Amino acid sequence: AQKITQTQPGMFVQEKEAVTLDCTYDTSDPSYGLFWYKQPSSGEMIFLIYQGSYDQQNATEGRYSLNFQKARKSANLVISASQLGDSAMYFCAMREPSSGAGSYQLTFGKGTKLSVIP
Amino acid sequence: EAQVTQNPRYLITVTGKKLTVTCSQNMNHEYMSWYRQDPGLGLRQIYYSMNVEVTDKGDVPEGYKVSRKEKRNFPLILESPSPNQTSLYFCASSFVKGGSYNEQFFGPGTRLTVL
Repeated sequence: AQKITQTQPGMFVQEKEAVTLDCTYDTSDPSYGLFWYKQPSSGEMIFLIYQGSYDQQNATEGRYSLNFQKARKSANLVISASQLGDSAMYFCAMREPSSGAGSYQLTFGKGTKLSVIP
Repeated sequence: EAQVTQNPRYLITVTGKKLTVTCSQNMNHEYMSWYRQDPGLGLRQIYYSMNVEVTDKGDVPEGYKVSRKEKRNFPLILESPSPNQTSLYFCASSFVKGGSYNEQFFGPGTRLTVL
């Protein structure tokens, strides 16, 4: 089974509208972290937001918020008031412990390409 | 400026010719990692390192080697590159704070083509 699933290969949103990018994850470890990264056409990876498995509140960073539903194992990214500059690939990722003491791995989803329409 | 650097940024080579992609970070991060990005597959972890002389296989380690002799450097070695290793490669680093927030800082990427 895939550890991170992003079911939307591509999405369109009107400028100034809100958009939700879906992410579901699969892990049996109680301690994990969830990240969202943005990759514009220039190729760099830009960190957006983080949610820890023990965090009680949903993470927010400016126009980005993470809708964390632990029981459903979902960590959807919500972008409010979309801007043209939000057009990019978006990746959901999960950090979970691996075999070595204190070691961890990071697994990425396949990404969602968001296009913001003027 | 805090950053992760990779060299070269672009490389075209031929099958079987050994190559090394260097990665260096100036943030004193313990954790370093290599990923490859292919269309439709997202990023997949190749190798990672928790600290000097400690390395571990990720999800797609076949055909790659790494070493971590110094904290700041984490080179990726392709002993005998093949065309299926044509990809965009990212190096990343982060602090290790057990169980808590570990944002990964990414390098600019290295686009490798193996003919």
